[in-house]
Amino acid sequence: EPEVTQTPSHQVTQMGQEVILRCVPISNHLYFYWYRQILGQKVEFLVSFYNNEISEKSEIFDDQFSVERPDGSNFTLKIRSTKLEDSAMYFCASSGGGGAGGELFFGEGSRLTVL
Amino acid sequence: GENVEQHPSTLSVQEGDSAVIKCTYSDSASNYFPWYKQELGKRPQLIIDIRSNVGEKKDQRIAVTLNKTAKHFSLHITETQPEDSAVYFCAASDDKIIFGKGTRLHILP
Repeated sequence: EPEVTQTPSHQVTQMGQEVILRCVPISNHLYFYWYRQILGQKVEFLVSFYNNEISEKSEIFDDQFSVERPDGSNFTLKIRSTKLEDSAMYFCASSGGGGAGGELFFGEGSRLTVL
Repeated sequence: GENVEQHPSTLSVQEGDSAVIKCTYSDSASNYFPWYKQELGKRPQLIIDIRSNVGEKKDQRIAVTLNKTAKHFSLHITETQPEDSAVYFCAASDDKIIFGKGTRLHILP
């Protein structure tokens, strides 16, 4: 069964460093998302991406965050200058239909620890 | 934007009994309501979903109900089993999916 894959599974970084989290969505999906989950808390929407551009972003997704689809398969989340409060599990997700159009398939997540 | 409230935050039920989790949403434009189950350290996985043109949907021991007028929707799990222990998230969407805060369900032996 096709699935969303994410790398790395765990990254430890120093505050102020740049981090890139990578995702390979399901191949025929058109809608891509990043969510984050601080330990023990809810899954929070960060950004949605369709047709090679951001379609929506939350207030969490400020100027230190960016997303890119550098080629036909990868979808990346970059955090430019990490802060302690960026420590969380970051989930990539993809959908065939977008929003109300289809099920979100999540990757296994990338755990980011900022020291 | 959409705001999803979920209750209770924690729920303990005896094995074999039923569990009910309730959610409300704020945006009347939302028309898709999925429920996700998240086991410890794992990704959220869809267990059931309902669209706004339907009032109820059932899949074996799991059922969801939707009241669009009141902007309420609920998850019902019957004949609960130990493997139902997890965190359950409701969500609502018109274009992006917004999650509730989650309910930690404990099934007691």
